[in-house]
Order: sequence, then C-alpha cells, then structure tokens
Amino acid sequence: EADIYQTPRYLVIGTGKKITLECSQTMGHDKMYWYQQDPGMELHLIHYSYGVNSTEKGDLSSESTVSRIRTEHFPLTLESARPSHTSQYLCASSDGRRTRTGELFFGEGSRLTVL
Amino acid sequence: AQSVTQLDSQVPVFEEAPVELRCNYSSSVSVYLFWYVQYPNQGLQLLLKYLSGSTLVESINGFEAEFNKSQTSFHLRKPSVHISDTAEYFCAVSPQGAQKLVFGQGTRLTINP
Repeated sequence: EADIYQTPRYLVIGTGKKITLECSQTMGHDKMYWYQQDPGMELHLIHYSYGVNSTEKGDLSSESTVSRIRTEHFPLTLESARPSHTSQYLCASSDGRRTRTGELFFGEGSRLTVL
Repeated sequence: AQSVTQLDSQVPVFEEAPVELRCNYSSSVSVYLFWYVQYPNQGLQLLLKYLSGSTLVESINGFEAEFNKSQTSFHLRKPSVHISDTAEYFCAVSPQGAQKLVFGQGTRLTINP
C-alpha cells in the first residue's frame, strides 16, 4: 500500500478564491508529480519535481504553481480559482534513485469544483 | 518519443465473461510496461508490470498481461470478470533509462450483471 496522501479529497469553492492542494509522501521518494484528470479520464502531467527546490512544468499548461521545500511535501496552489479549474488532481511519487523504472505511486486524488 | 494507444475507450461486458483491454505503444527504445486501475473516486493503483523476464505477468486478482515485442502490445486479460472489476484501466510505458511514465487515454470497464 502506497504511503502518499492528498488533502482535501473534495473541495467546492467560489471563483476568485486561493486554494492549496496538499500532497505528502512518507516513502522518501525523490520524484513527485501532479496530474490533472479530465472527465474523459485522460491524465495530463502539469507539474513535476525531481528533488528539493526543483520544479518543472509538465506537458499541459496550467495556471497552478507548485513548490518543493521538503522531500516529502509537494503542494499545488491556485491563486485565483476559476470554473475552468474544476477537475480531479492526482499527486504521485516515484523512487528515481533505487528502482529507476518510472513506476508511480498515486494518492487518492483531490476533486476540485469551482463555482 | 513514446506514445500509448488504448484502442477502446469503453468496454461493457457481462459478469463472469472474459475481457481483453487492448494497449499498443510506440517507442524507439526498450520500455517498461504497466497497467494501472482506478476505482471510482480513487487514485490509480498499480495492477501489474512488465520489467524483464517472462513476457506473461499476472496480478493477484486474476488479471494477466502479455508483452508482445513484435506487435508492440501489452494487452490486459481476465478470463472471468466480477462486478468489483468495474473501473478505469490505464496502460503506461516508461522508456528504460528515462524514468518517465507515458499514459494511454484509459479504458472504462463496465460489468453488467
């Protein structure tokens, strides 16, 4: 069982609010990722980090930002939420130092609804 | 670059019937192959993976997948499905040495009683 946690699981907020989705892992993995999942299921990589103080944008452009100040923590922030941000956000991690296979461990997801 | 194609976006089957979810990939280098499952309102869980060795890999809940290098496929099969298998299934590849997972579009498996 993977030890990666996301909070909140569900969030309903109004337009213009600032939100932060939390993601923490206790496996000591060096790499962490954020995916956005649209209603049609497809996964889009929006941010990733290969270590502390390292963050990169993914394949899909996103207005969100991320930070990686600690190995275990990779929060995602939206400064001003809009209805177009309504989606499921999935956090994942991988052990790039030991296994090197690219296998990902996922959190339960955060479902964001912006009214 | 790598790409993954899951040929069916939705697969409806009756309970206890066999099922095959198809996955094809393209890559100029050797890859690791994965199937993930996503149950309703949950994240993705690893179902099975091919890293090396036997081309037939199995999961603990009766699924199996076979790596076919010549056809660049990694189809997922189960001889008899159960209602609890209702979920979305994602095929993914990781080029060896790159440590980056590329996902297919997903297949929604619906089991009818």
